[in-house]
Amino acid sequence: AQKVTQAQTEISVVEKEDVTLDCVYETRDTTYYLFWYKQPPSGELVFLIRRNSFDEQNEISGRYSWNFQKSTSSFNFTITASQVVDSAVYFCALSEAWGGSEKLVFGKGTKLTVNP
Amino acid sequence: DAGVIQSPRHEVTEMGQEVTLRCKPISGHDYLFWYRQTMMRGLELLIYFNNNVPIDDSGMPEDRFSAKMPNASFSTLKIQPSEPRDSAVYFCASSLARWGTEAFFGQGTRLTVV
Repeated sequence: AQKVTQAQTEISVVEKEDVTLDCVYETRDTTYYLFWYKQPPSGELVFLIRRNSFDEQNEISGRYSWNFQKSTSSFNFTITASQVVDSAVYFCALSEAWGGSEKLVFGKGTKLTVNP
Repeated sequence: DAGVIQSPRHEVTEMGQEVTLRCKPISGHDYLFWYRQTMMRGLELLIYFNNNVPIDDSGMPEDRFSAKMPNASFSTLKIQPSEPRDSAVYFCASSLARWGTEAFFGQGTRLTVV
């Protein structure tokens, strides 16, 4: 069965600090996708990135970067030089190739607070 | 495109009343999902549809919950009768029929059952 664990419930940092949000997943599939979503205080869920299981290349997008390591079943998200606007709940999610591949299973989320 | 549209944004109802939540997916999307978000359980998938047909409703908590998708542009989630423990934010999302594509979420309906 698929499972996503975000062990950090809440993180609080001061602006300009770097912060890493952890995501560990479980799946019996060799083919799957991983996602990160952001939920700002306004409540909507915003897609940030997806990664398929065959592509372990790390990705950087501005201040955001993602580290995918199949060996440790992790897909961690780092925000460099955090800003107050980064304050949100961040969700990691998994989609398997089999058994309802279209559905996303989410972790419980990590609430990030960036203080000025 | 206007994105996924949900209504109402907020709903307060009394225990025992029927509640209907509505969703209009993004035009052209083949999949529609209903999720529920609570502090205790996080984001749970309740049910999803492919081309208006329910594919997996194993997440629907009880018979009090039902969902329909009469056409490609409209879906409802009904709770009858509602109970206080149903209080949550209900999200509708839609996606294309292409594995690995992201789901686009509506702004959610915050339901409070008193």
